Amino acid sequence: QSVLTQPPSASGTPGQRVTISCSGSSSNIGSNTVNWYQQLPGTAPKLLIYSNNQRPSGVPDRFSGSKSGTSASLAISGLQSEDEADYYCAAWDDSLNVVVFGGGTKLTVL
Amino acid sequence: QVQLVESGGGVVQPGRSLRLSCAASGFTFSSYAMHWVRQAPGKGLEWVAVISYDGSNKYYADSVKGRFTISRDNSKNTLYLQMNSLRAEDTAVYYCARGNFGGVIVDDAFDIWGQGTMVTVSS
Repeated sequence: QSVLTQPPSASGTPGQRVTISCSGSSSNIGSNTVNWYQQLPGTAPKLLIYSNNQRPSGVPDRFSGSKSGTSASLAISGLQSEDEADYYCAAWDDSLNVVVFGGGTKLTVL
Repeated sequence: QVQLVESGGGVVQPGRSLRLSCAASGFTFSSYAMHWVRQAPGKGLEWVAVISYDGSNKYYADSVKGRFTISRDNSKNTLYLQMNSLRAEDTAVYYCARGNFGGVIVDDAFDIWGQGTMVTVSS
């Protein structure tokens, strides 16, 4: 069982907006920044969002992140077929002194 | 270009040891904290360990504490993971990743990842 809680699956049709949630606690999301990773099938993860809501160079602005209290969200607008992947949230946990990941959300584009 | 290349994976019997390496290129390796992250077959990501830019600070997941040791050689631009007393549950793809954007380890994001190296622990 992961310290950060994500829905195991999400889906949407092309062009739609999809949101993936990530729930934690005061020792992780409540105290530290949240990062999001995208993992396409058979590949290494890729950084999508850092510091709650910042996009690395090259990441389309269709991807956005937000944080409120002990929860964070990843939003994908204008959904495309190539967005079909697993998405993970992560944050440092001050109580455990480790990085904690969410269990991952498998996004399906219908 | 900026790149991380892992090596050293393979099949090993329970209780034995293995050392993974991660060769960095294209950036100033000695300026960044480095992490190991693993992924068991069909499972999610699990953080394993981090080492600060100068090697002075190290943190480990509880699942590997006391068995795994992270280290680095900044003169060789290489990160290591010494894995002892291996268990079946250590079977996974092991990724090295660069920590960035945080300024401090607790705010690190993993912005560069290697391709991963598979470790299989089986008799």
